[in-house]
Amino acid sequence: GAGVSQSPRYKVAKRGQDVALRCDPISGHVSLFWYQQALGQGPEFLTYFQNEAQLDKSGLPSDRFFAERPEGSVSTLKIQRTQQEDSAVYLCASSGEEVGYTFGSGTRLTVV
Amino acid sequence: GQNIDQPTEMTATEGAIVQINCTYQTSGFNGLFWYQQHAGEAPTFLSYNVLDGLEEKGRFSSFLSRSKGYSYLLLKELQMKDSASYLCAFHRDDKIIFGKGTRLHILP
Repeated sequence: GAGVSQSPRYKVAKRGQDVALRCDPISGHVSLFWYQQALGQGPEFLTYFQNEAQLDKSGLPSDRFFAERPEGSVSTLKIQRTQQEDSAVYLCASSGEEVGYTFGSGTRLTVV
Repeated sequence: GQNIDQPTEMTATEGAIVQINCTYQTSGFNGLFWYQQHAGEAPTFLSYNVLDGLEEKGRFSSFLSRSKGYSYLLLKELQMKDSASYLCAFHRDDKIIFGKGTRLHILP
């Protein structure tokens, strides 16, 4: 596609509920990244894929967070048993040959 | 460890020049990014410096000193639409590590 597409745009979850956030990167982009951005803060790295391989998941805050990219294209970030501190904007970005990442508009998750 | 420091907020006047400074510490370094982020929107790429020196791109310029761990973003002829957060970030091991960002307010 023309840009990085994320869905849903907004998600309200009750505490304890599982959520799944989707990212559709730019077609042909090999690398895909997930970031978490709290209000008023910069994006914090969560995890990184090259094709279907998850090369770095050092930023995932707990074992409740899980990401996958089974066919090397669309990626899903899953958060189990959501807690209030998980409330943030989750940004997906992809990169190809060009310098820098292209970010999606993000999913704003609110846990109530 | 790794760390990025930049001012939390700055205010400048429309038509003026503003310089946003960034210092960083990291054990590995490929280059230095600046991104712009308007409220509620995705970050967008502004510049990438690999070598020391100044890179100019229209109204925006970015400077890097690798030996000092220092960069700045210079914005000239400020416009109201430049009101945004400016994120300093270093590139290391195929990933980008962001600072907390500098919120720039432009006054008419």
